[in-house]
Amino acid sequence: EDQVTQSPEALRLQEGESSSLNCSYTVSGLRGLFWYRQDPGKGPEFLFTLYSAGEEKEKERLKATLTKKESFLHITAPKPEDSATYLCAVQELYTGFQKLVFGTGTRLLVSP
Amino acid sequence: DAGVTQSPTHLIKTRGQQVTLRCSPKSGHDTVSWYQQALGQGPQFIFQYYEEEERQRGNFPDRFSGHQFPNYSSELNVNALLLGDSALYLCASSLWRGQGASGANVLTFGAGSRLTVL
Repeated sequence: EDQVTQSPEALRLQEGESSSLNCSYTVSGLRGLFWYRQDPGKGPEFLFTLYSAGEEKEKERLKATLTKKESFLHITAPKPEDSATYLCAVQELYTGFQKLVFGTGTRLLVSP
Repeated sequence: DAGVTQSPTHLIKTRGQQVTLRCSPKSGHDTVSWYQQALGQGPQFIFQYYEEEERQRGNFPDRFSGHQFPNYSSELNVNALLLGDSALYLCASSLWRGQGASGANVLTFGAGSRLTVL
C-alpha cells in the first residue's frame, strides 16, 4: 500500500533561518510527487510536481528535490508569511490521476 | 476565473443525521474528487466522479455517497453521521485523463466544508 511519511511534524524557525522538510514515500510506481501548502481553515494550494529522481523545482524561497525514496522541500531565508502546513502527496502509476495519497504534513512557523 | 467553490463553509449536525455538501469545479475542469481531512491529518481520498459516474473509491463505507451533475458540479452525501465524521471535507477538480496517459495530474482544491458532528 502507498505510504507517505513527513518529518518533522512541526518546525519553528527564525526569519532568515533556512531549513528542509522531508517526505519519505513508498509506492509501487510513481506517477508524480506533489507539494502543497495549506493555511489554517483553507484548502491545499499547489506548489510543485516532481516526476523522476534527480528533478528539482524552485519557486521564490522554496526548492523541491526528489530521489527514489524521498523528497525534500528546502526553505531559504524564510519569512513569516511562509508559515503554513506543507503537505506532500504521491500519485501512483496504476491507480489513475485523481487519487493523491497525502502525508500528515509539516507545520512550519516562522517568527520575525 | 473562479476556482473551486464549496458550500456550506461550516455546519453542525448531530449523530445519526444526514448531510449534503456541494462543490463547483474550477472553470474548464470536468472531474471532481472528494477528500476528508481530520484535524492534524492529511487529506484522505473518498471518491472521484467523471461523466456523472463514480470512477474510483477510497476506503470509506457506503454511508458516503456522491453525485455529479451534467454541469460537472458535485455533491457529497453522508448518512447516519458518526462523531468520527467530524472533519474538513475538501473538493478537488481537474481534467480527466485516461489511465494510459503520461505525466501526473494537478488537483485544484476548494477551501472545504467544516463538518462538526455532536
